[in-house]
Amino acid sequence: DAKTTQPPSMDCAEGRAANLPCNHSTISGNEYVYWYRQIHSQGPQYIIHGLKNNETNEMASLIITEDRKSSTLILPHATLRDTAVYYCIVRVWNRDDKIIFGKGTRLHILP
Amino acid sequence: DTAVSQTPKYLVTQMGNDKSIKCEQNLGHDTMYWYKQDSKKFLKIMFSYNNKELIINETVPNRFSPKSPDKAHLNLHINSLELGDSAVYFCASSQEEKFAGQAYEQYFGPGTRLTVT
Repeated sequence: DAKTTQPPSMDCAEGRAANLPCNHSTISGNEYVYWYRQIHSQGPQYIIHGLKNNETNEMASLIITEDRKSSTLILPHATLRDTAVYYCIVRVWNRDDKIIFGKGTRLHILP
Repeated sequence: DTAVSQTPKYLVTQMGNDKSIKCEQNLGHDTMYWYKQDSKKFLKIMFSYNNKELIINETVPNRFSPKSPDKAHLNLHINSLELGDSAVYFCASSQEEKFAGQAYEQYFGPGTRLTVT
């Protein structure tokens, strides 16, 4: 079972920041938070990951609360091409641990 | 310059047949995976290989047999296909995480839509 809880769907106006929340209250100290997205029926695409510090890359920012029990993915200026299902995942670093995808959040970007 | 490629993209076949899906990555990664996405869109891992060694083998019927001829290829062979095997199958690859603190992302292929009639 997925170790994360996400809202099933969200809307965001084009050009605005999209803030996608994720709860992972049972996260352990060595588990990372990953975000992937799946556009239509394409293969999932990696977005960002972090352990406890906030992270930013060219696609998004990841804000992790101090207790690490929740996080928020921020797409700073959402475009129509950001319409996708976004998956929040927690996993440890070793090769024997697997990524478990939950149901994700379906993000609709509104023109 | 496709990083992770799969063939075929679509596969329609009848129950009882045997089929294979091929996957190749040109990223130099050591680890490759197979995932299944069913009609409800749940994405579940099936297998992972690291340098041709089987690492993760989820509870998958033994009709499914992954084969890794080299670390750039991971093929999926399915015997005696059943209606429930209809799904989209994704291949993925990542760098090997050799020690704590490394956490590499997975790169996914475009998927193979398998329809069993």
